[in-house]
Amino acid sequence: DAKTTQPPSMDCAEGRAANLPCNHSTISGNEYVYWYRQIHSQGPQYIIHGLKNNETNEMASLIITEDRKSSTLILPHATLRDTAVYYCIVSAGGTSYGKLTFGQGTILTVHP
Amino acid sequence: DTGVSQNPRHKITKRGQNVTFRCDPISEHNRLYWYRQTLGQGPEFLTYFQNEAQLEKSRLLSDRFSAERPKGSFSTLEIQRTEQGDSAMYLCATPSGTSPVENTEAFFGQGTRLTVV
Repeated sequence: DAKTTQPPSMDCAEGRAANLPCNHSTISGNEYVYWYRQIHSQGPQYIIHGLKNNETNEMASLIITEDRKSSTLILPHATLRDTAVYYCIVSAGGTSYGKLTFGQGTILTVHP
Repeated sequence: DTGVSQNPRHKITKRGQNVTFRCDPISEHNRLYWYRQTLGQGPEFLTYFQNEAQLEKSRLLSDRFSAERPKGSFSTLEIQRTEQGDSAMYLCATPSGTSPVENTEAFFGQGTRLTVV
């Protein structure tokens, strides 16, 4: 699976949009971009995933650049409960579907 | 609550003792993964099962570690002769897909935090 690069930490004011970037310049054509987050002392939680089109669900939006070499996770109205480590993961699925290679992620701190 | 249950949530053991963790996955998910997470790091893959068959093991899984999934239901992870370096969070996860062509989300348990003293 391709490697990803994320900033180690970011801050965001409560109520504002949080935009978390991720670089995955070696991504292959069949690899999806996944985002998970991990709140302190809990297991990771799935947020969203996409292949090449932008995706939106009730939690977040995922914007993938046209060349697919980077993506941005957008939390439209961050709350204090969104403070967590956010992981960007690239995975091809296939016979190893469900296997995730985590990096160190981005620590997002939402402050009042 | 993701539907994936792990027990115990916390375990403190003395070095050299054996420990066993249990994962109860979402019943219809036929794949089950174990990960290990040390402080400040992301989770690392240990092993996974397709039903009762263990299909892949990471080099992180030394011969002191053994995992089972009898009858393709719950899974156990045992560590023999624990060492201080085994102190970590052990996570279980099941993807919602049922075939290799699906790219779907994985559901994680809350993890078992092991402290070896």
